[in-house]
Amino acid sequence: DVVLTQTPVSLLISLGGQASISCRSSQSLVHSNGNTYLHWYLQKPGQSPQLLIYQVSNRFSGIPDRFSGSGSGTDFTLKISRVEPEDLGVYYCLQRTHNPPTFGGGTKLELK
Amino acid sequence: QVQLQQSGAELVKPGSSVKISCKASGYTFTSYDMHWIKQQPGNGLEWIGWIYPGNGNTKYNQKFNGKATLTADKSSSTAYMQLSSLTSEDSAVYFCARELGYWGQGVMVTVSS
Repeated sequence: DVVLTQTPVSLLISLGGQASISCRSSQSLVHSNGNTYLHWYLQKPGQSPQLLIYQVSNRFSGIPDRFSGSGSGTDFTLKISRVEPEDLGVYYCLQRTHNPPTFGGGTKLELK
Repeated sequence: QVQLQQSGAELVKPGSSVKISCKASGYTFTSYDMHWIKQQPGNGLEWIGWIYPGNGNTKYNQKFNGKATLTADKSSSTAYMQLSSLTSEDSAVYFCARELGYWGQGVMVTVSS
């Protein structure tokens, strides 16, 4: 199975600051059709995960432009600018290029 | 709007089975895969499998072969997951998710004697 390694495991950020989360894959996430199926989720305390970014850099419906995704191949990054209180929780990356889909271990975003 | 309403929490005995449901609304149920995901307390997320309600096709994570069985009822727009031969390792929250985009609220399954 593809292993996704997220760093850091936890992140202390001040309100209004910027956060950057890395997701590295054990193999390339470029599908044979040319697409890259790497997605990002936020799980707020006591809630189900919500999709933020799909296919590396596309914001899901209703997601503010403070969230941005980038990367290619095996290295991907989620950036959150102007951090707000509702951004706190655990962020996960997910790859769907290879079967089975696998999730990263998560990055917990907390307030400094 | 897309909504996935999952059934309530379950307390079940070791060795037994449990069937949890995920009722879909706000879209054409038969046109999208329904995925199931496991989250153990304090742990990350694990993909179990998906079902395509349009034709009943399924795909499983090999790890859950024999553990999870996915079905769907088109008449009620409801997806089901049955977990069998339950052990303490099956105690977790289980989510359904339409194509991993829209998620249900999760069902906590506790396996205890």
